[in-house]
Amino acid sequence: NAGVTQTPKFRVLKTGQSMTLLCAQDMNHEYMYWYRQDPGMGLRLIHYSVGEGTTAKGEVPDGYNVSRLKKQNFLLGLESAAPSQTSVYFCASSYSRLGHEQYFGPGTRLTVT
Amino acid sequence: AQTVTQSQPEMSVQEAETVTLSCTYDTSESDYYLFWYKQPPSRQMILVIRQEAYKQQNATENRFSVNFQKAAKSFSLKISDSQLGDAAMYFCAYRSSMNRDDKIIFGKGTRLHILP
Repeated sequence: NAGVTQTPKFRVLKTGQSMTLLCAQDMNHEYMYWYRQDPGMGLRLIHYSVGEGTTAKGEVPDGYNVSRLKKQNFLLGLESAAPSQTSVYFCASSYSRLGHEQYFGPGTRLTVT
Repeated sequence: AQTVTQSQPEMSVQEAETVTLSCTYDTSESDYYLFWYKQPPSRQMILVIRQEAYKQQNATENRFSVNFQKAAKSFSLKISDSQLGDAAMYFCAYRSSMNRDDKIIFGKGTRLHILP
């Protein structure tokens, strides 16, 4: 099993450009999440999904959109990138049963200039 | 809303010594889960240990153990016989057992340095 994978690993964008981050998991997990990690802030939840075709807002959703068209994939979109979105982005997934931990991808380092 | 607080931004310990990382949380719920995650320089988040709130016995995983004080809402991580590979950022996390969305709330982390 590959676990949770993220594409790309690094990206540099200019202000106003758009991009999509792809997260894929091969563990048949129902739940998937997008976090951002900034220095001194820990991990903050952007959006999440509790199943195929569903999405919900997390703590810091502004400026991001997500889609979960297939159970194994969770896409994070930035329509018009801003320097404040410079961060490391993590995708995670978990089983639907209570108590299970989240499994994380390797992260994507995004820089917006 | 639940919160998780890690009051030590950075800590250092001599190799082979024992170190304890602190975590407190705030919740009105009686049933929940607590986690410690490790993030080494590779950035990969790795689960270290998990504790169910309804279990009084403290969780242990090899050199890692927790001191879970439910009444005090405290969940500290003890690392015994520290090794160079333990150097990482450690995050304490809380998950409600009542919410169906399975969201996890993370603390801001403690960076642990291992001194050779």
